[in-house]
Amino acid sequence: DQQVKQNSPSLSVQEGRISILNCDYTNSMFDYFLWYKKYPAEGPTFLISISSIKDKNEDGRFTVFLNKSAKHLSLHIVPSQPGDSAVYFCAVGYDTGTASKLTFGTGTRLQVTL
Amino acid sequence: NAGVMQNPRHLVRRRGQEARLRCSPMKGHSHVYWYRQLPEEGLKFMVYLQKENIIDESGMPKERFSAEFPKEGPSILRIQQVVRGDSAAYFCASSPSTATNEKLFFGSGTQLSVL
Repeated sequence: DQQVKQNSPSLSVQEGRISILNCDYTNSMFDYFLWYKKYPAEGPTFLISISSIKDKNEDGRFTVFLNKSAKHLSLHIVPSQPGDSAVYFCAVGYDTGTASKLTFGTGTRLQVTL
Repeated sequence: NAGVMQNPRHLVRRRGQEARLRCSPMKGHSHVYWYRQLPEEGLKFMVYLQKENIIDESGMPKERFSAEFPKEGPSILRIQQVVRGDSAAYFCASSPSTATNEKLFFGSGTQLSVL
């Protein structure tokens, strides 16, 4: 019973182009959404987040979009750089809850090619 | 600039042995979380602890698994009588408070392999 799905296990994008990573969730009660990035042999690191009162949050090259009606969020990276090559996890939770209630997706491996 | 420290990085155990995984949170963090990542799956919450207290263990298997975060020293995740299905990456994370929007800081993980 996967509450959070990242249907693309991998994605390859050319340097300078846009990377779009997608995430779908099933429970409309979730109201806080995060993206984490993970390099090999390291733990995940926080990248960007958005609460359900917004539909877009931008931080430099990274933008997260939230479509509550579709229960879908996406991460856009523009322009993509080779250092962005990593596994990206989306995570969902409750704004008034605790971090222990975060549910993670299975991850999408992004490869940015030269 | 010490982050979340986990050791060992790799742990090999034979079936039936005990595995002990250690986690030292970031300085100033008193909240510790353990997550497990099985092959081809996302990170799954296991347990949330504060100093000397288990706050939420809803993700912990009912048997063989235990966790503690003593007043002094690291948090310990203990797996007794390990089985092959326990093979996974175990990540510890810490935060200074309980808010979801408080970013979790993860360690590099312990890769447990059960032979």
